[in-house]
Amino acid sequence: AQSVTQLDSQVPVFEEAPVELRCNYSSSVSVYLFWYVQYPNQGLQLLLKYLSGSTLVKGINGFEAEFNKSQTSFHLRKPSVHISDTAEYFCAVSDNTNAGKSTFGDGTTLTVKP
Amino acid sequence: NAGVTQTPKFRILKIGQSMTLQCTQDMNHNYMYWYRQDPGMGLKLIYYSVGAGITDKGEVPNGYNVSRSTTEDFPLRLELAAPSQTSVYFCASSYGIGGGETQYFGPGTRLLVL
Repeated sequence: AQSVTQLDSQVPVFEEAPVELRCNYSSSVSVYLFWYVQYPNQGLQLLLKYLSGSTLVKGINGFEAEFNKSQTSFHLRKPSVHISDTAEYFCAVSDNTNAGKSTFGDGTTLTVKP
Repeated sequence: NAGVTQTPKFRILKIGQSMTLQCTQDMNHNYMYWYRQDPGMGLKLIYYSVGAGITDKGEVPNGYNVSRSTTEDFPLRLELAAPSQTSVYFCASSYGIGGGETQYFGPGTRLLVL
């Protein structure tokens, strides 16, 4: 069985400050890891994903995440946030044993203040 | 290319009523999913389909039914609506079989059961 824990339910930050959204996962097999973003009143869209290879993954809108197998983490970072980054962020995990289904974390609300 | 579309966007139901949430994708994806999202929670999988004519239960299937007669459409049926089914419902699709596939989400249907 796989699970995802997003360690912060809400992260307030000022514009142009750096941000890190934390995600830990649990799985007994090799995993694929995702970060999705949900803007208000919209569906989720992919920010980035880790499949294999380099542990540092770059995504859209200047976000990046680092896969750390020893710490079973996949934290999302951005060096300088904008007001437009205000959204809900979901970490998700999947593997090849479960018909490709993903397990989602409970989400982190990022609020960027002027 | 519209992606994943859902109708209606919002609906109010009385307890005991039934309704069908529509989902259509135009990306020729094999896999389709229905999730519900409750406030402060992640996405919970209701049902999924790996192709036309093939469906299976997810994490929270009780009170729902699905069918998949075509590749494009994956409607979700609510029978005898209950207040516990008040939620936001998202349909998603993905192309491949492997666990590393990106899911593409529709904009959601907000359902209120009174």
